[in-house]
Amino acid sequence: GAGVSQSPSNKVTEKGKDVELRCDPISGHTALYWYRQSLGQGLEFLIYFQGNSAPDKSGLPSDRFSAERTGGSVSTLTIQRTQQEDSAVYLCASSLGPGNTEAFFGQGTRLTVV
Amino acid sequence: GNSVTQMEGPVTLSEEAFLTINCTYTATGYPSLFWYVQYPGEGLQLLLKATKADDKGSNKGFEATYRKETTSFHLEKGSVQVSDSAVYFCALKILPGGKLIFGQGTELSVKP
Repeated sequence: GAGVSQSPSNKVTEKGKDVELRCDPISGHTALYWYRQSLGQGLEFLIYFQGNSAPDKSGLPSDRFSAERTGGSVSTLTIQRTQQEDSAVYLCASSLGPGNTEAFFGQGTRLTVV
Repeated sequence: GNSVTQMEGPVTLSEEAFLTINCTYTATGYPSLFWYVQYPGEGLQLLLKATKADDKGSNKGFEATYRKETTSFHLEKGSVQVSDSAVYFCALKILPGGKLIFGQGTELSVKP
């Protein structure tokens, strides 16, 4: 596609439910990143994929968070047993590679846990 | 560790005023430095970047110079417009991997 696409754009879920957030990177981009933007914490790195592998998962806040990438393309971020503190905007970005190339961001998924 | 510190906002300016948003960083090695902008209702966009010391990034009238001696990358614009109202994020890139470490963001509001 023309840009990084994320779905859904908005998600409201009840505390304790599981949610899946999807990211479609720009075609041909091998590097994919997930970030979280929240009022109290700013923009935080969550996880990095190179192809289908995740060499850096250091930003995942707990074992309730997981992510996968298939076919070197689409990525899914899963949050299990959601908590109110998980409410945030989840951003996905992709780039041609991990070096000094520009990262392009999607519009994000706004997650609200009620 | 690696971190980025930005001046706190919000910053309110009149149109045609001079803008400076301060950014300092702490990093191991020699990171690349970036300014991203988030316009209301839109996603993050790269505004400018610099990949080594003394490089100057520029775009849309904005400039920032990579100062290794002061570990700074301050954003400047000589004459702001109402359309520049947005949140500005300073960031550094960590290799290998390329993850970005962001500052807290500075909200800029330009009044006519």
